[in-house]
Amino acid sequence: GAVVSQHPSRVICKSGTSVKIECRSLDFQATTMFWYRQFPKQSLMLMATSNEGSKATYEQGVEKDKFLINHASLTLSTLTVTSAHPEDSSFYICSARDPQGAEGYTFGSGTRLTVV
Amino acid sequence: GQNIDQPTEMTATEGAIVQINCTYQTSGFNGLFWYQQHAGEAPTFLSYNVLDGLEEKGRFSSFLSRSKGYSYLLLKELQMKDSASYLCAGFSGGYNKLIFGAGTRLAVHP
Repeated sequence: GAVVSQHPSRVICKSGTSVKIECRSLDFQATTMFWYRQFPKQSLMLMATSNEGSKATYEQGVEKDKFLINHASLTLSTLTVTSAHPEDSSFYICSARDPQGAEGYTFGSGTRLTVV
Repeated sequence: GQNIDQPTEMTATEGAIVQINCTYQTSGFNGLFWYQQHAGEAPTFLSYNVLDGLEEKGRFSSFLSRSKGYSYLLLKELQMKDSASYLCAGFSGGYNKLIFGAGTRLAVHP
């Protein structure tokens, strides 16, 4: 089946620094990828839709200048958390849908971000 | 807009059957998903219903009623490893964005 690779799996950074998370579709092309954030014991909240070759579409309440999304190729989307603060500590997950696949959306393994 | 509701927590006994319900209100229905998520891991796909009725896949089955905006996930012969969160999700708007309910945390005990 379709595989989405996400790196890093865990990252600890200092307040005020930026962190980049990568999401790659390994065996299919994804013109659209999705970024979610999940706080402990809560569900996945969609942050933004990443569109290859164009600007990302952000959900209401998500700061586009803080969460920079780049989708420069059909297999790679990146999320950069800029000027990170402790409240940005969360589990970030990307997903994509293989247009040839029958099993819905495939998720990356997630990135646990801790801002200290 | 849309709204997806499911119970927050459920408990069940090993070997038993449990039904997790999900009600939804979405603009432009285009199918309903169920995912399983263990703590600290990414969700894994369980089922996708676009037509009314029951779809069975081994120990897991999923039901959909589009007229009632209702779905359920049925887990049979529960095992301890089934303890996880179960997420109901539906499409929303353009780009087929997948929106999740709050998730149901299922605890299976001996």
